[in-house]
Amino acid sequence: KAGVTQTPRYLIKTRGQQVTLSCSPISGHRSVSWYQQTPGQGLQFLFEYFSETQRNKGNFPGRFSGRQFSNSRSEMNVSTLELGDSALYLCASSLDGIGNQPQHFGDGTRLSIL
Amino acid sequence: AQSVTQPDIHITVSEGASLELRCNYSYGATPYLFWYVQSPGQGLQLLLKYFSGDTLVQGIKGFEAEFKRSQSSFNLRKPSVHWSDAAEYFCAVGGYGGSQGNLIFGKGTKLSVKP
Repeated sequence: KAGVTQTPRYLIKTRGQQVTLSCSPISGHRSVSWYQQTPGQGLQFLFEYFSETQRNKGNFPGRFSGRQFSNSRSEMNVSTLELGDSALYLCASSLDGIGNQPQHFGDGTRLSIL
Repeated sequence: AQSVTQPDIHITVSEGASLELRCNYSYGATPYLFWYVQSPGQGLQLLLKYFSGDTLVQGIKGFEAEFKRSQSSFNLRKPSVHWSDAAEYFCAVGGYGGSQGNLIFGKGTKLSVKP
């Protein structure tokens, strides 16, 4: 069974640009969550999608947005990039995001802002 | 507010020695607790989880953790460390609002293993 797939693995952008990251969950998983990992702030929850609806949202500015498609694949978009957005962005999926179903993580997308 | 504290930023142990990584949480209800491990350049791998029942849980790679409600702790242990265990370990709490999709992580403990 394939794991969580994130593309691209590495990305370099400049300030002011926007970026879209993609996440394909494990087959059958309907909950997809996104996290930002930085050396200073650690792992922080961005948002969670379930059945194409945002179910939970972390404390990030509106420049960070996401969506989920009918096949459960998810995309995350960051607009007007800032230097502080440089981070590893991790996607995680689970069957339904509730109960005793743990999340499974992808290897992440490393975003560097110049 | 929910929070997770991992007091040790970096721990070094000798190969074959025992290991205990500390985790304390702040949570208003019965927590769902997790330990994840991250190797450089990779995502997080689930080691073990606690939802309810037996407070001593077994995980993969010979790890175990004990939930102590009175101490708000969920410490990770391994009786004999292998060089391949060198990585960063994260404790997390979930379940807020009934969802597991919004984990709160500790800052992590980096484990180094001496030969």
